[in-house]
Amino acid sequence: QVQLQESGPGLVKPSGTLSLTCAVSGASISNSNWWSWVRQPPGKGLEWIGEIYHSGSTNYNPSLKSRVTISVDESKNQFSLKLSSVTAADTAVYYCARWVSNGYYTWGQGTLVTVSS
Amino acid sequence: EIVLTQSPGTLSLSPGERATLFCRASQSVYTTYLAWYQQKPGQAPRLLIYGVSSRATGIPDRFSGSGSGTDFTLTISRLEPEDFAVYYCQQYASSPTTFGQGTKLEIK
Repeated sequence: QVQLQESGPGLVKPSGTLSLTCAVSGASISNSNWWSWVRQPPGKGLEWIGEIYHSGSTNYNPSLKSRVTISVDESKNQFSLKLSSVTAADTAVYYCARWVSNGYYTWGQGTLVTVSS
Repeated sequence: EIVLTQSPGTLSLSPGERATLFCRASQSVYTTYLAWYQQKPGQAPRLLIYGVSSRATGIPDRFSGSGSGTDFTLTISRLEPEDFAVYYCQQYASSPTTFGQGTKLEIK
């Protein structure tokens, strides 16, 4: 059974960089899947941030593209998110998820990141 | 990007009743690349339906999806207590993939 686990600081200062890692277990990140980040501001809907393939190919949401970097570490079976120049609007629960053909079948439990001084 | 608008915002029904949730796209989703997710408080979303009408593994047959073009529907034939949650549609025909704002299904 594939499992995803997000980790990283729960509090980031304004103008700083948000950094999260998603550890993958039960499957190799080198499988033919896209690995994604999705966020959800408190009480609001879902926003796709971007995705990465094990080869390193990436796709980003144009609304965040200038601030986002997603990378993969095959040796550790994990992938990571960096979001720079954060503001309070970036406060959200951040999920990592696995895309399989036609949907996000597997999600992490989510981690709340608050942007505040 | 394709904007998805879900209606109603909140739906109040009783267990055993039929629920119909709607998702309208700002432009045609030319393929069948439309999915539905269920999210309960404090939990990650769960995939229910993909490809407009195919149930994901383990999803009960009381859940069904339909539609084409710009109008899509999720139907729950007979509500069980565990079905009360927030439901999101997602299109993945056009990048970036986008989600609707959600419909909250609450107990009447």
